[in-house]
Amino acid sequence: EVQVVESGGGLVQPGGSLRLSCAASGFTFRSYWMSWVRQAPGKGLEWVAKIKPDGSEKYYVDSVKGRFTISRDNAKNSLYLQMNSLRAEDTAVYYCAAGESFGYWGQGTLVTVSS
Amino acid sequence: DIQMTQSPSAMSASVGDRVTITCRASQGISNYLTWFQQKPGKVPKRLIYGASSLQSGVPSRFSGSGSETEFTLTISSLQPEDFATYYCLQHNSYPLTFGGGTKVEIK
Repeated sequence: EVQVVESGGGLVQPGGSLRLSCAASGFTFRSYWMSWVRQAPGKGLEWVAKIKPDGSEKYYVDSVKGRFTISRDNAKNSLYLQMNSLRAEDTAVYYCAAGESFGYWGQGTLVTVSS
Repeated sequence: DIQMTQSPSAMSASVGDRVTITCRASQGISNYLTWFQQKPGKVPKRLIYGASSLQSGVPSRFSGSGSETEFTLTISSLQPEDFATYYCLQHNSYPLTFGGGTKVEIK
């Protein structure tokens, strides 16, 4: 059974940092492109970042470039998102999604940026 | 960046209706188009990938078509469990972009 579980969300002040984690099982994690997708309260879906199976290529939406870093540890079947210089507009549920067209999703973790 | 324009943004329909949702890409994306369904408070669920391939376990009343810049998601006979918001996603080029969503409500 495929399982994707995010963790690490919470309340953080503007300018602060947070590291999200995603633990995957039930599929060959090291063979999958992995992404982070977010959804602000009451809004639509927004792709944030994507990483190649071997970690050699990383892509970001412009609004997070230079602030967020996606990474993975294939030995631990885990994906990460380091988020620095957080802004109020980064407030959202953050989902981990597996595959080139997001066939598997986690349940999401809420990040709230507020003073 | 490729813009994905989804229409309509919302619609009311009755059980049994045929429903069509359109996604237009601002430039050609071949068939790198995926459709998702999201119910309130739930995780998005992939319905269609590669523009027209049905995800395993998804009812056959869902179908997708199109290529390059024009894509459609069709629900042949709307069921009560289909009332949800639908999103398209292009993954032809970066940044990946979603359509704005189509909320299908009960008439």
